[in-house]
Amino acid sequence: KAGVTQTPRYLIKTRGQQVTLSCSPISGHRSVSWYQQTPGQGLQFLFEYFSETQRNKGNFPGRFSGRQFSNSRSEMNVSTLELGDSALYLCASSLAGGADTDTQYFGPGTRLTVL
Amino acid sequence: AQSVTQPDIHITVSEGASLELRCNYSYGATPYLFWYVQSPGQGLQLLLKYFSGDTLVQGIKGFEAEFKRSQSSFNLRKPSVHWSDAAEYFCAVGARGGNKLVFGAGTILRVKS
Repeated sequence: KAGVTQTPRYLIKTRGQQVTLSCSPISGHRSVSWYQQTPGQGLQFLFEYFSETQRNKGNFPGRFSGRQFSNSRSEMNVSTLELGDSALYLCASSLAGGADTDTQYFGPGTRLTVL
Repeated sequence: AQSVTQPDIHITVSEGASLELRCNYSYGATPYLFWYVQSPGQGLQLLLKYFSGDTLVQGIKGFEAEFKRSQSSFNLRKPSVHWSDAAEYFCAVGARGGNKLVFGAGTILRVKS
């Protein structure tokens, strides 16, 4: 079974631009979560989508948004990019069917550099 | 609120030696606990997880972890470390019924030959 895939793997943007990252979950997984990883703040939860609805949200500004499609694929958007948004963005998927299925499997990440 | 502490930022062990990485968590109810490993430039790979039942859990690559409720700990162990184990290790706690993981700061493992 194919793992979680994320595209693109690398992105370079300039301040003020916006960016969209994509995540395809493992086949059959219904939940997709997004995390930001930086050297200073570590791994931080951004949000989770389940059945096309945002189910959980972390403490990030409204510039960070996401959505999920009917095939469970998810996109994450960051508007008005700031230098501090430079990070590795990780997507994770899970079955989300209850106990013992809430195990998240991570993709390789998208490395975003903001200049 | 959930939190995870990994007290050791860096650990260096000799190849063939045993390993223990520490993890302490704070959570009001029975948590879901995970250990992930990350190689440079890569995503996170799940090593093992604890949901309930036997408090000693086995994972991939010869790793195991023990859940100790009284100490709020979930330490990762390996009896004999291989050079390929050099990576960064993250402990995480999650709430039942939700998929928001809270991660520790990570422990970087160096293996010397």
